[in-house]
Amino acid sequence: GAVVSQHPSRVICKSGTSVKIECRSLDFQATTMFWYRQFPKKSLMLMATSNEGSKATYEQGVEKDKFLINHASLTLSTLTVTSAHPEDSSFYICSARMVFGAGDTYEQYFGPGTRLTVT
Amino acid sequence: GQNIDQPTEMTATEGAIVQINCTYQTSGFNGLFWYQQHAGEAPTFLSYNVLDGLEEKGRFSSFLSRSKGYSYLLLKELQMKDSASYLCAVLDSNYQLIWGAGTKLIIKP
Repeated sequence: GAVVSQHPSRVICKSGTSVKIECRSLDFQATTMFWYRQFPKKSLMLMATSNEGSKATYEQGVEKDKFLINHASLTLSTLTVTSAHPEDSSFYICSARMVFGAGDTYEQYFGPGTRLTVT
Repeated sequence: GQNIDQPTEMTATEGAIVQINCTYQTSGFNGLFWYQQHAGEAPTFLSYNVLDGLEEKGRFSSFLSRSKGYSYLLLKELQMKDSASYLCAVLDSNYQLIWGAGTKLIIKP
């Protein structure tokens, strides 16, 4: 099956610093990658959608200058949380989707998530 | 607006059967997914329905009625490891996934 890795799995950083999270599709080419945020006991909140080689599309209320997304290749997308603050502490999950054409299910394959704690 | 409703929490007994319902109102429909998510982990794919009817996969089955905007996930022979949140998600007309808030399933011995 399709495997998506995410690194790091856990990170603790000080307020004001920046943190980069990597999302990789290991055995397939991902035309589209998604970044989600999840608060405890809440559902997934889509932050942005990124297509390889183009700018990410951010959901309403998500600051693009704070959450920098780069999708430089068909197997790698990065999310950088800039000038992190304690309220940015959350579980960040990426997913990747491969599209083959008509009849494709548009299934998203999820990475294992990154737990960010900002102190 | 787009909306997906599912119960917040359900409790069932080990060995029993449980049905988790999901109703949706979305702009367009290109399929419905069920994902399982254990606490602190990312969601894992369970099922995909795009046509009406029942899809069976081992102990798990998923049903869809497009005319009613309704789906359910049926879990049989419940095991303690089935304790998790179950997320319903609909692929809308723009092929974007619209997520439900999830149903936390608690399995008791």
